[in-house]
Amino acid sequence: ETGVTQTPRHLVMGMTNKKSLKCEQHLGHNAMYWYKQSAKKPLELMFVYSLEERVENNSVPSRFSPECPNSSHLFLHLHTLQPEDSALYLCASSQDLVRSTDTQYFGPGTRLTVL
Amino acid sequence: AQTVTQSQPEMSVQEAETVTLSCTYDTSESDYYLFWYKQPPSRQMILVIRQEAYKQQNATENRFSVNFQKAAKSFSLKISDSQLGDAAMYFCAYRNPPNFGNEKLTFGTGTRLTIIP
Repeated sequence: ETGVTQTPRHLVMGMTNKKSLKCEQHLGHNAMYWYKQSAKKPLELMFVYSLEERVENNSVPSRFSPECPNSSHLFLHLHTLQPEDSALYLCASSQDLVRSTDTQYFGPGTRLTVL
Repeated sequence: AQTVTQSQPEMSVQEAETVTLSCTYDTSESDYYLFWYKQPPSRQMILVIRQEAYKQQNATENRFSVNFQKAAKSFSLKISDSQLGDAAMYFCAYRNPPNFGNEKLTFGTGTRLTIIP
């Protein structure tokens, strides 16, 4: 499955660093999502974008800043993270937001480690 | 709020045998969608199968089928003729009915499936 790509695949950063995660979808979808996957916890939805507009922010700390410059690209800018932010960050896309029939397609994720 | 529960953290099955992964959920809605996703060691979440709540017929995709019990709010996944490539983490997920700005997948904690050669 190469419809949704994410870079980098692995990232190690200090608490004072600033880094960005990138997601790109090649499926012509209009909606994109950021999820956080921590060990032994369900996937947590962080942000939802539809047609480049943020439509949901699930009480995510401001040290995570999303950006959606166009419908194919989604970024997650990181700054002054905490060790508990270490997790797998998954990007997903779906055709549209409003139709429940739409399936979300996931990228391979970025494994983030905060030292 | 919707919740999804997967009570089996780990399961194992002999190759070529059948295994069933359980999932229960809680919702007050009557129309919704349920999914099973597979996450192999490569980490990419792959859709296995989905079920629309308004359909009584259980969804089937090749060796994968579900047992959807709406009244019991149960959505189990059956894998027939298990293959080594089926080894992965399996996540059950619930999706809200159509409501702009409220589209979200709620996931369970996952079941790690091991295939024994």
